[in-house]
Amino acid sequence: DSGVTQTPKHLITATGQRVTLRCSPRSGDLSVYWYQQSLDQGLQFLIQYYNGEERAKGNILERFSAQQFPDLHSELNLSSLELGDSALYFCASSAGGSSYNEQFFGPGTRLTVL
Amino acid sequence: GESVGLHLPTLSVQEGDNSIINCAYSNSASDYFIWYKQESGKGPQFIIDIRSNMDKRQGQRVTVLLNKTVKHLSLQITATQPGDSAVYFCAEFMFSGGYNKLIFGAGTRLAVHP
Repeated sequence: DSGVTQTPKHLITATGQRVTLRCSPRSGDLSVYWYQQSLDQGLQFLIQYYNGEERAKGNILERFSAQQFPDLHSELNLSSLELGDSALYFCASSAGGSSYNEQFFGPGTRLTVL
Repeated sequence: GESVGLHLPTLSVQEGDNSIINCAYSNSASDYFIWYKQESGKGPQFIIDIRSNMDKRQGQRVTVLLNKTVKHLSLQITATQPGDSAVYFCAEFMFSGGYNKLIFGAGTRLAVHP
């Protein structure tokens, strides 16, 4: 158990809908990272927040957004969902703001878009 | 558990043998590399890391080798056990798109047979 929690574990929705994925980092960690893992693309970095502020951006679509709240939990919002958005979404946390810090991954949320 | 990367290259080994998993990275300026292990239904788990000023680093039953000349990383697992069965990813710390971030390789599935 990494100490990172993600909810829900599974999510099934329809195209065009909007969903919110939630992540709670390890106690004391200030950074949260979001990754997308699809069968054909592997692990893709989406975005990082550090202590409430956006720190780094990866291959995140404009339909996706994230935020980190004062209690350091984070939410990833996915809107206008498409079939291709079906994937595992992982959250990771680290103590500091640099990617040099060891990242601890949560168990993931499996999103299925029908 | 969830299946990740159904079409990943697979390395099959006998229990007790040594395993070598290879990875080619893309950016000659990358200065930090990590190996992750992902078991079915779980998030990636840190195994070992290495900085570019080193050629070799050893952990418990694992060794990472870095060849910067050909941009190649390898993960050696000694006396492979059934519990080592998983997908293994290398990741490089890269400056890309204006940000420092971890870029993951495609992954290799390790199957350990008794």
